[in-house]
Amino acid sequence: GENVEQHPSTLSVQEGDSAVIKCTYSDSASNYFPWYKQELGKGPQLIIDIRSNVGEKKDQRIAVTLNKTAKHFSLHITETQPEDSAVYFCAASKVNNDMRFGAGTRLTVKP
Amino acid sequence: KAGVTQTPRYLIKTRGQQVTLSCSPISGHRSVSWYQQTPGQGLQFLFEYFSETQRNKGNFPGRFSGRQFSNSRSEMNVSTLELGDSALYLCASSGLAGNNEQFFGPGTRLTVL
Repeated sequence: GENVEQHPSTLSVQEGDSAVIKCTYSDSASNYFPWYKQELGKGPQLIIDIRSNVGEKKDQRIAVTLNKTAKHFSLHITETQPEDSAVYFCAASKVNNDMRFGAGTRLTVKP
Repeated sequence: KAGVTQTPRYLIKTRGQQVTLSCSPISGHRSVSWYQQTPGQGLQFLFEYFSETQRNKGNFPGRFSGRQFSNSRSEMNVSTLELGDSALYLCASSGLAGNNEQFFGPGTRLTVL
């Protein structure tokens, strides 16, 4: 089955800096790669996603890149703000299949 | 549009008891997936329902079961509770069968004593 690895497990940056979180997946049939942000006491919130027919997608300060050949994808957050502090999860899934999540990255943005 | 709602938000049970959790998806969504979140195992897929049918199932014992009603609301049941079942149980709804663009509810925090 699919295995998703996520690095780093913790990340601390200064406000205004960029943050990058990386994930690798094992199943070449996976074709949907979402990123979720989870704040304390809340459920995961979908922040951006990418499908396998696209190499990069951007939404304001957030971007995701996908390298299908290497089977890895990354989340990039620019101009980080304290409210970006949360746990971020990557995931991978195939159509009509269960979604496998990475272990999460705790991002801390220091003011 | 209202988001995914889960009830109850918190639950305390003792070993051996059973529990039923409820999830109401976003209006118009027909797919509901359930996940277990623990510090040690992370987010793990339990099962997915679409149009009252279980479409996918994760690797959990038969004590974990679910169902979906004609209005797309879903329930999951855990019987013979064990200490290790203590977790945050999350449901996510999607407009399509499968796992595209899943939107999560706030979760039910289950504590088993």
